[in-house]
Amino acid sequence: ELVMTQSPATLSVSPGERATLSCRASQSVSTNLAWYQQKPGQAPRLLIYGASTRATNIPARFTGSGSGTEFTLTISSLQSEDFAVYYCQRYNIWPHTFGGGTRVEI
Amino acid sequence: EVQLLESGGDLVQPGGSLRVSCAVSGFTFSSFAMSWVRQAPGKGLEWVSGITGSGDSTFYAKSVKGRFTVSRDNSKNVLFLQMNSLREDDTAVYYCAKTTSWTGSKIDYWGQGTLVIVSS
Repeated sequence: ELVMTQSPATLSVSPGERATLSCRASQSVSTNLAWYQQKPGQAPRLLIYGASTRATNIPARFTGSGSGTEFTLTISSLQSEDFAVYYCQRYNIWPHTFGGGTRVEI
Repeated sequence: EVQLLESGGDLVQPGGSLRVSCAVSGFTFSSFAMSWVRQAPGKGLEWVSGITGSGDSTFYAKSVKGRFTVSRDNSKNVLFLQMNSLREDDTAVYYCAKTTSWTGSKIDYWGQGTLVIVSS
């Protein structure tokens, strides 16, 4: 069964700094990879799909890259509203497995 | 405006059953596969189940296969998750989610979730 592994589990960053989050698939998912942001008490929000395409109204400071089994989400200059938990998800075939998440904290 | 509204969450005893529902509006329901995603308290997201737009194909996580059943009523725009043989580790907020294709893809809309607590 395909496993999605995110690292690190927690990332401590200062506002204005760059954050780099990783997601690894145990088998190739091509570019069928999405990133979601979740804030406390809220449902997740789609940030990136197709590994690198920003969803509607997502700021340009969010960049996704990668293909196959290795993916990266980069937040170029962290704003206060970006401190949250980020999840990757594969959706090439069912089950649409999520990674364990990366918490980005101050 | 796309809306997904879950209902039916409750406190249930281990071994019990519960059905949660998701009423949707604002899009052509039958044209999109749907997923259920859960989140245990303080934990990450776990994909639970999916169903294609027609309802002909269903999919389950290993952790719930044989105990949960997903279904949909395209005439009433409602998605269901029937949960049997519930265990304490099924305790979670259950989110209904719309994917972007008929056969299943990334999730573009989420409900606000319904809380299921399994405890004696």
